[in-house]
Amino acid sequence: DTGVSQDPRHKITKRGQNVTFRCDPISEHNRLYWYRQTLGQGPEFLTYFQNEAQLEKSRLLSDRFSAERPKGSFSTLEIQRTEQGDSAMYLCASSSWTSDKFGTQYFGPGTRLTVL
Amino acid sequence: AQSVTQPDIHITVSEGASLELRCNYSYGATPYLFWYVQSPGQGLQLLLKYFSGDTLVQGIKGFEAEFKRSQSSFNLRKPSVHWSDAAEYFCAVGPANEKLTFGTGTRLTIIP
Repeated sequence: DTGVSQDPRHKITKRGQNVTFRCDPISEHNRLYWYRQTLGQGPEFLTYFQNEAQLEKSRLLSDRFSAERPKGSFSTLEIQRTEQGDSAMYLCASSSWTSDKFGTQYFGPGTRLTVL
Repeated sequence: AQSVTQPDIHITVSEGASLELRCNYSYGATPYLFWYVQSPGQGLQLLLKYFSGDTLVQGIKGFEAEFKRSQSSFNLRKPSVHWSDAAEYFCAVGPANEKLTFGTGTRLTIIP
């Protein structure tokens, strides 16, 4: 496995700007998850996909946030009109239904967002 | 609703000493339980998981955890810690292949 990759690793933006993050899951994984982690806290669930279908969204995901997985492979998370409270680490994970890795989420390195 | 409590925010142990990190969970059905480790500025690495079967599970880096249904606990242990074990440790619960709920983490410091 090549692992979950995320791009960019760091993003600094000014308040009010839009940002987009990309996640590439492990190739055979059909489920993809987004989490947000603020300083001193554990990751909090945002949303997840099975193939291209978005199955669940957290109430944390305001209307300024949108996530897509158009071809069931990579995913993007866009934040519009960023606010300072959006500063966090955004983590992506993927999982599979195959027997040896069943139900286990594997995480990428994260994208650190700083909103000035 | 599912939840996880990690009562210890910060633990300091001497290198070579034993370690136990506590995790208590609340979940309506048979839980899927995980321990992840995170180094500063990095993503999460899976240490071990419990789905069913033997309640004592072995993981990577010499870690093990024991599932105790009666106590709603899934404590992580290591008999002898190494300086490289210094990191943040997260316990998580959830259904298979759905959202995970994480605890707030325990920061582990190792002293020589």
